[in-house]
Amino acid sequence: DVLMTQTPVSLPVSLGGQVSISCRSSQSLVHSDGNTYLHWYLQKPGQSPQLLIYRVSNRFSGVPDRFSGSGSGTDFTLKISRVEPEDLGVYYCLQSTHFPLTFGSGTKLEIK
Amino acid sequence: QVQLQQSGAELAKPGSSVKISCKASGYTFTSYDISWIKQTTGQGLEYIGYINTGSGGTYYNEKFKGKATLTVDKSSSTAFMQLSSLTPEDTAVYYCARGSGSWGQGVMVTVSS
Repeated sequence: DVLMTQTPVSLPVSLGGQVSISCRSSQSLVHSDGNTYLHWYLQKPGQSPQLLIYRVSNRFSGVPDRFSGSGSGTDFTLKISRVEPEDLGVYYCLQSTHFPLTFGSGTKLEIK
Repeated sequence: QVQLQQSGAELAKPGSSVKISCKASGYTFTSYDISWIKQTTGQGLEYIGYINTGSGGTYYNEKFKGKATLTVDKSSSTAFMQLSSLTPEDTAVYYCARGSGSWGQGVMVTVSS
């Protein structure tokens, strides 16, 4: 299985600040079709994970442009700028290039 | 809009089985696979497998073979997951999902004597 290593585990931030979350995979996430199936989710307390970014850098419908994704191969980053209270929760990366799909272990974004 | 409505919380005894449901609406049910995901505090998010809602074909993560059985009822646009031979390690929240973007609200399954 592809191991997804997500760092940091916890990320204190000041409202209005900027943060980055890293996700590294144990093997390349470039699919044979040329796409890279790396996605980012936010799980707020008591809710299901919600999709933020799909295929590395594409914002899902309704996701503000404060969220951006980048990376390639095995190394990916989610950047959040101008952090707002609604951004707090646990962020996960997910790879769906290889079966079984695998998730990162999560990064908890909390107020400093 | 796409909605996946899951059944209610379950309390089950060790050794028993539960069957949870995921009713889809807002789209053509047979056009998308339904995946199932397990979430625990200790193991995080784990992918169980998916079912092709048109053909009924399934894929299971090796870890969940023999534990989970995925089925569909096309007439009611509902996907099901049966978990068998339950142990306390099966205590978790279980989600269904359509593609990457739409998840159900989750079902808490508690296994306890």
